[in-house]
Amino acid sequence: LAKTTQPISMDSYEGQEVNITCSHNNIATNDYITWYQQFPSQGPRFIIQGYKTKVTNEVASLFIPADRKSSTLSLPRVSLSDTAVYYCLVGPSNQAGTALIFGKGTTLSVSS
Amino acid sequence: GAVVSQHPSWVICKSGTSVKIECRSLDFQATTMFWYRQFPKQSLMLMATSNEGSKATYEQGVEKDKFLINHASLTLSTLTVTSAHPEDSSFYICSAREPTGDSGNTIYFGEGSWLTVV
Repeated sequence: LAKTTQPISMDSYEGQEVNITCSHNNIATNDYITWYQQFPSQGPRFIIQGYKTKVTNEVASLFIPADRKSSTLSLPRVSLSDTAVYYCLVGPSNQAGTALIFGKGTTLSVSS
Repeated sequence: GAVVSQHPSWVICKSGTSVKIECRSLDFQATTMFWYRQFPKQSLMLMATSNEGSKATYEQGVEKDKFLINHASLTLSTLTVTSAHPEDSSFYICSAREPTGDSGNTIYFGEGSWLTVV
């Protein structure tokens, strides 16, 4: 499974846009990129998933360049409640028996 | 999105006893579920892959006789920590892949279960 590299931590203020970049140089052709958010003592929560170009949903955008060796999670106008750990994972989505392997994640701290 | 539910959310047990944690996929069938454990301020560590109707596949270093996994139906997997010891105290999380019939299906996680062994 492709290994991912993310910044260990990021700081932001309420109302700002936050961009978290993840490197995955060894991503395979059938790998998807998925981001999860985790609050303390809770299971990870799915944020967004993409394969290439740009994906947007009600909470975030995911930007993936043509070479797919990196991806950027964009959180618009963060609030205090966005303080959490964010994980970038890559893996084949069409193989039922393949688990997601977690890296260290990025701890985002949002201040007022 | 799909919902995966765990029970109990937290449990305290005495050393030497066994405790069972349940993981259910509430609105989809999951032929495969995954179990993780997470220590404070650390990332999730994959323990095993639970396969419906067959034996679980354990990651290296995880004792299969200590962490018994049963996946008897398409919506339920259980993790039993046998002869629990204080070092087994951890946050246990399950996940399941929602099959969508196309590429791009998603893995959803349960709420997690805190185990404290005293």
